[in-house]
Parts: sequence; structure tokens; C-alpha cells
Amino acid sequence: SQTIHQWPATLVQPVGSPLSLECTVEGTSNPNLYWYRQAAGRGLQLLFYSVGIGQISSEVPQNLSASRPQDRQFILSSKKLLLSDSGFYLCAWSVRQNYGYTFGSGTRLTVV
Amino acid sequence: GQSLEQPSEVTAVEGAIVQINCTYQTSGFYGLSWYQQHDGGAPTFLSYNALDGLEETGRFSSFLSRSDSYGYLLLQELQMKDSASYFCAVVDSNYQLIWGAGTKLIIKP
Repeated sequence: SQTIHQWPATLVQPVGSPLSLECTVEGTSNPNLYWYRQAAGRGLQLLFYSVGIGQISSEVPQNLSASRPQDRQFILSSKKLLLSDSGFYLCAWSVRQNYGYTFGSGTRLTVV
Repeated sequence: GQSLEQPSEVTAVEGAIVQINCTYQTSGFYGLSWYQQHDGGAPTFLSYNALDGLEETGRFSSFLSRSDSYGYLLLQELQMKDSASYFCAVVDSNYQLIWGAGTKLIIKP
């Protein structure tokens, strides 16, 4: 069966520090991968998506970047965090693009 | 612009039936999805409607009317564990997924 792993679960980082969140998927090949951010009590904002290794599409200009170095690995990064980067970050995968997402457990990031 | 509208909050009683509506205005349409998210947790996929009509999965049903740009999620025999936020999402003509802001379902005993 397919599983998605996302870590860490919580993270407190100072302003200006770097960020690296990792997401890996098991049990499937060539998944569509997504990074979302959710502010408290709000909807989901798509940050990046990838349909294959090295293929990254950015939806929102911001302080973040994404990479897909391996088929089932998706990394979200920042060189210098801002206070506004705080939020709940969710990785997801799907077989068909934009259908039937399976989400990771999320990372709650607080920038202080 | 593209938008999905759903009520911000719905309250219902345990054991009752509740309907959460979603109207959409998007550039094209491929399908309507519903997701459930408990507080502090990740969203989980509930259903997908590409064609008009009702899709039933246990206590949950989802309906779509493409001519009305409208869909709803129907939850029957409500249980306290159904207390969560419910999101509708539409795949538009660019094959992008557009999300609603979510409906918080409050269930009272």
C-alpha cells in the first residue's frame, strides 16, 4: 500500500533562518506531488506541484522553493524565513493530477 | 476570477442529516472533490463527482449539478466524530485544483 511521510511534525524557527521540509512517498511510482500551506482556520494554498523528477511548478511568488531530487521525494526550502511563513505545511500526492489527494500529516511551522 | 463558495460554519445535532453546499465559478470544470479535515490534522479525500448526480459512500453522499455550478456533501446519521472542516475543490480547465475556504461542521449532542 502507498504511504506518505512528512517531517518534522512541528518546528519553531527564528526569523532569517533556513528551512528544509521533506516529504517521501512509498508504494507508488511517478506520483504527482504537491506542497500546500494552510493558515489557522483557513483554506489551503497551493505552493508548488511536481509531475516528475526535476519538474517544479510554482503557484505563488514567495520566499520558498521546492525540489524533487528523486521520484518519490519532495523538499520545501527557504534560505531566510519570514514571520509570514508561519503556518501548517502539507505535502500531498496523487496518481492523477488534482484528483484524490493523499496528504501527509503536516508540519506546523512557527517563525519567531 | 475563480471562486468556490461554501458556508463558513454549519451546526447540526447528533443523529441528524446535514448538507454542506458548494457553488463554484471557474474557467471550465472537470470535477468536484470533497475533503474532510479534523482540527490539527491533515485533509482526507472523501469523494469526487465528474458527472451530474449523486454518489453514495456509506453515510456520506456527494451531489453535482454542472448546469447550476453547484454541489453538496450530505452527511447522514451524524456522529460526534464527524465534527470537522469540509472542503470542496474543483478541477478547472487548466487542470488546476481550486479550493473552497472550508465549512466547519459543529455537531451537538
